[in-house]
Amino acid sequence: GAGVSQTPSNKVTEKGKYVELRCDPISGHTALYWYRQSLGQGPEFLIYFQGTGAADDSGLPNDRFFAVRPEGSVSTLKIQRTERGDSAVYLCASSPGRDRVQYFGPGTRLTVL
Amino acid sequence: QQQVKQSPQSLIVQKGGISIINCAYENTAFDYFPWYQQFPGKGPALLIAIRPDVSEKKEGRFTISFNKSAKQFSLHIMDSQPGDSATYFCAARTTSNTGKLIFGQGTTLQVKP
Repeated sequence: GAGVSQTPSNKVTEKGKYVELRCDPISGHTALYWYRQSLGQGPEFLIYFQGTGAADDSGLPNDRFFAVRPEGSVSTLKIQRTERGDSAVYLCASSPGRDRVQYFGPGTRLTVL
Repeated sequence: QQQVKQSPQSLIVQKGGISIINCAYENTAFDYFPWYQQFPGKGPALLIAIRPDVSEKKEGRFTISFNKSAKQFSLHIMDSQPGDSATYFCAARTTSNTGKLIFGQGTTLQVKP
């Protein structure tokens, strides 16, 4: 079946703009994670959804970052007033449950000019 | 704070040789230790994983060795091939109800023909 998909694959924006990054998880996966990967680093946890609710958003760096998953499937990561330091690859992963394998999407490369 | 430390940062191995990547963790509240392989422009893909009650796990050319008392684990790639050239990340899954992964910094492996 289809894996995790993320759109867009690349996003270039200007400092101060608003962006939305989309994640389509594997069908039937109830757990969804967002991670951020800076150049030359490992992914860092941002937020975890179990179903529709954000069960853990402790990794969000500040209140400019917000994520939703209104129907328990597709998730959108929203970043307000983007800053150059937000430039990174944003990865989404889904899993059948918190204790199961996490499958990653290809990521969205965000560049803030 | 960094809870999973990975070394070396980069590694060059001749075809047919053994590649060894090491990780150490600082928090005992982990219940699962996966290794992910990442090719440029792609998301991380699960390679092999181990639970802390097992000291070794082998899948084909890939072996994880786990030392619970030392809080260390390593990936061995036997008979390394040019196609193994990628970035490898160790990770540790928290025992919290989120199942989030804490990643190491990554090791870039180059296998020379």
